[in-house]
Amino acid sequence: AQSVAQPEDQVNVAEGNPLTVKCTYSVSGNPYLFWYVQYPNRGLQFLLKYITGDNLVKGSYGFEAEFNKSQTSFHLKKPSALVSDSALYFCAVRERRNTGKLIFGQGTTLQVKP
Amino acid sequence: DADVTQTPRNRITKTGKRIMLECSQTKGHDRMYWYRQDPGLGLRLIYYSFDVKDINKGEISDGYSVSRQAQAKFSLSLESAIPNQTALYFCATSDNRQPQETQYFGPGTRLLVL
Repeated sequence: AQSVAQPEDQVNVAEGNPLTVKCTYSVSGNPYLFWYVQYPNRGLQFLLKYITGDNLVKGSYGFEAEFNKSQTSFHLKKPSALVSDSALYFCAVRERRNTGKLIFGQGTTLQVKP
Repeated sequence: DADVTQTPRNRITKTGKRIMLECSQTKGHDRMYWYRQDPGLGLRLIYYSFDVKDINKGEISDGYSVSRQAQAKFSLSLESAIPNQTALYFCATSDNRQPQETQYFGPGTRLLVL
């Protein structure tokens, strides 16, 4: 069965420190991979996606994600966290065959403290 | 994303009532989706529609129905609301002309069933 796992319910970092939010997946073939962010009382905003090519993908707000095929992971990273990055982050995957359907992880709350 | 709107933004209803959540989009996308978000469970797909004449059940369609009135409108109905349908509901759209089909989300409807 297809699945996405975000092993940490919450990640705490100090402002200015690097952050990593983890995501692993179990999907057949070579899926498309996405990260979304949800700020309080807001909808999900698209951050970045991996389609093909370079394993390091750059996205909005200084975020990047590293695709690792052998470990089936797509971890979200940022070199220097900001307090305003505090939010709920979702990893999602989609099979390359044209189903259109996304499978989401359960979400990770990122807390950045001053 | 202001291109995807949802009404109402908040709704309180009683067990047994029929309610409708509405979604409209100005992105010109053919594909539309309804998800529910529950804490610790991420987003789960309720129904999706690839065009006006194509409706498909998602992961958790029991107790829900949908109507695709036009390319731009996709409504979700709870036939007889029950308390465990209390959740945050999101509508999303995607463009099937993009192979990776990034999904764009509305701001959400917070539903409380008493």
